[in-house]
Amino acid sequence: QVQLQESGPGLVKPSETLSLTCAVSGYSISSGYYWGWIRQPPGKGLEWIGSIYHSGSTYYNPSLKSRVTISVDTSKNQFSLKLSSVTAADTAVYYCARHLRPYSSSPFGYWGQGTLVTVSS
Amino acid sequence: EIVMTQSPATLSVSPGERATLSCRASQSVSSNLAWYQQKPGQAPRLLIYGASTRATGIPARFSGSGSGTEFTLTISSLQSEDFAVYYCQQYNNWPPGDTFGQGTKLEIK
Repeated sequence: QVQLQESGPGLVKPSETLSLTCAVSGYSISSGYYWGWIRQPPGKGLEWIGSIYHSGSTYYNPSLKSRVTISVDTSKNQFSLKLSSVTAADTAVYYCARHLRPYSSSPFGYWGQGTLVTVSS
Repeated sequence: EIVMTQSPATLSVSPGERATLSCRASQSVSSNLAWYQQKPGQAPRLLIYGASTRATGIPARFSGSGSGTEFTLTISSLQSEDFAVYYCQQYNNWPPGDTFGQGTKLEIK
């Protein structure tokens, strides 16, 4: 069974870079599939941030593309999110997830529990 | 960019009754439409993909229909654990901008 677990600082200062990691167990990232990040501001809906393949190929939400970097570390079986120049609008629960099928144009079949990141000085 | 619109924003239904939730795409997404259920404090859970295929372990009371731009999620006989927020997601146009709808809150009447 695929399991995902987000980790990282729960508080980030404005203008700094948010960094999160998603540890994957029960499946080897190097075996395939796209892996993604989704966020949800408090009380609001879901927003896809971006997705990455084990080879490092990435897709980003155009609205966030200039500030987002997603990377993968197959040796540690994890992938990471960096979001630069954060503001209070980036306060959200951040989820990592795996696409259901071995291509990016498929829904998210497996989700982490999510981690709340607050942007505040 | 495809915009997904869900209606209604809130739906009040009594346990045991049928609930019908709608999702509309601003342009055709073929059958590349998924539904998720999210309970408070939990991650979303995939219910339906391919517009009508139930994900693993999803009860038969959940069904999806539609294609193109109009989609429906039906819960045939509501159980107490079904009261939650439901999101639709298109994955036909990839990479997307706003891939998810804004959600429908299903509450107890």
